[in-house]
Amino acid sequence: NAGVTQTPKFQVLKTGQSMTLQCAQDMNHNSMYWYRQDPGMGLRLIYYSASEGTTDKGEVPNGYNVSRLNKRELSLRLESAAPSQTSVYFCASSSPSQRGGHNEQFFGPGTRLTVL
Amino acid sequence: GQQLNQSPQSMFIQEGEDVSMNCTSSSIFNTWLWYKQDPGEGPVLLIALYKAGELTSNGRLTAQFGITRKDSFLNISASIPSDVGIYFCAGRGRGSNYKLTFGKGTLLTVNP
Repeated sequence: NAGVTQTPKFQVLKTGQSMTLQCAQDMNHNSMYWYRQDPGMGLRLIYYSASEGTTDKGEVPNGYNVSRLNKRELSLRLESAAPSQTSVYFCASSSPSQRGGHNEQFFGPGTRLTVL
Repeated sequence: GQQLNQSPQSMFIQEGEDVSMNCTSSSIFNTWLWYKQDPGEGPVLLIALYKAGELTSNGRLTAQFGITRKDSFLNISASIPSDVGIYFCAGRGRGSNYKLTFGKGTLLTVNP
């Protein structure tokens, strides 16, 4: 059981380049999320997918797109990378908790992206 | 949007000391969560709190859901070197089954 996996672990891009971050979970969770983490900012939600076939914007969606490829996978696309998108990106997944809501989110190890 | 104020931003303590950190919110939360992030890793859930006044322990960790539903604290007793990391509070507000709001984190350093 690998949990949540992310590829790549590290990436350096030039301004204007595009790339896709991949995330997969093997816990049969319905919901998946993409966050970014910046120094002193905590985790901010970019997009989430409540269930297969749906995606919704989070707190900071501008400059990103997501695709829920199937129940296991959620990808994050940067069409034209900008230096402001230099960050650590975390994918997470969850299923409903016993007390309601999707509280226990399981996180992947992160992708460290630098945009020059 | 909802905001969480987490304090302190960082702490430097000696092994064996107790630690306390807290989060306050500008609005009511239905759920409070505490996560720990080790260097180079993703956050891991430590404790989840679901109702006002609830006090929950996980080993040397104890967390409480404030009565006003706008705050929570986390205590770590008898700290050890492996407690080093960033601790995040997170809250889930009304009408939001999926979205968590995270605090900015408390960086804990434990000197052996």
